[in-house]
Amino acid sequence: QQQVKQSPQSLIVQKGGISIINCAYENTAFDYFPWYQQFPGKGPALLIAIRPDVSEKKEGRFTISFNKSAKQFSLHIMDSQPGDSATYFCAASTETGRRALTFGSGTRLQVQP
Amino acid sequence: DVKVTQSSRYLVKRTGEKVFLECVQDMDHENMFWYRQDPGLGLRLIYFSYDVKMKEKGDIPEGYSVSREKKERFSLILESASTNQTSMYLCASKPGQGVSGYTFGSGTRLTVV
Repeated sequence: QQQVKQSPQSLIVQKGGISIINCAYENTAFDYFPWYQQFPGKGPALLIAIRPDVSEKKEGRFTISFNKSAKQFSLHIMDSQPGDSATYFCAASTETGRRALTFGSGTRLQVQP
Repeated sequence: DVKVTQSSRYLVKRTGEKVFLECVQDMDHENMFWYRQDPGLGLRLIYFSYDVKMKEKGDIPEGYSVSREKKERFSLILESASTNQTSMYLCASKPGQGVSGYTFGSGTRLTVV
């Protein structure tokens, strides 16, 4: 059972464009939603995270939008750059109980110059 | 610079062999995790540990076991390797009882022939 569903599987964006990756979750107990960025040959690294008490969080060109009622959250990359080309994973976890991250299936982003 | 170090970057083993994947962290983190990463499936949790000598099953523990004799070291064991265990294995660690602060290793690419 996949508790966090991520789309699209791959995404090609022109330099300067907006990249949008979507995730949906099933477990209403989730209360921490991070996004990870992974470059080839490296482990995932935390990009940005949000908790459900806010609907949006912005850090530089990266924004998370969160819709609690729809159980959805998304990553927006503004002014996408070739250096943003990587695989992105959404994830979710709870503060109580099993505190291990549950990951989405990943999105391979390619930003063309 | 804090680190999670996985002992092997690439590993090739034969079917039926007992395989040990080693992970060491230098951050004095209480929590350690093993994930496997497969295309289209994202990262799936195999086992995790909240403390020395403690372990918890993740979502896909079948065919695997773990050992944590010291706080800084978490080993993943494939008792009898099979071809369907060919994958990228990622180790991670995290401090305390919160949900944030994960640090991932660079991964071990295991091929079982």
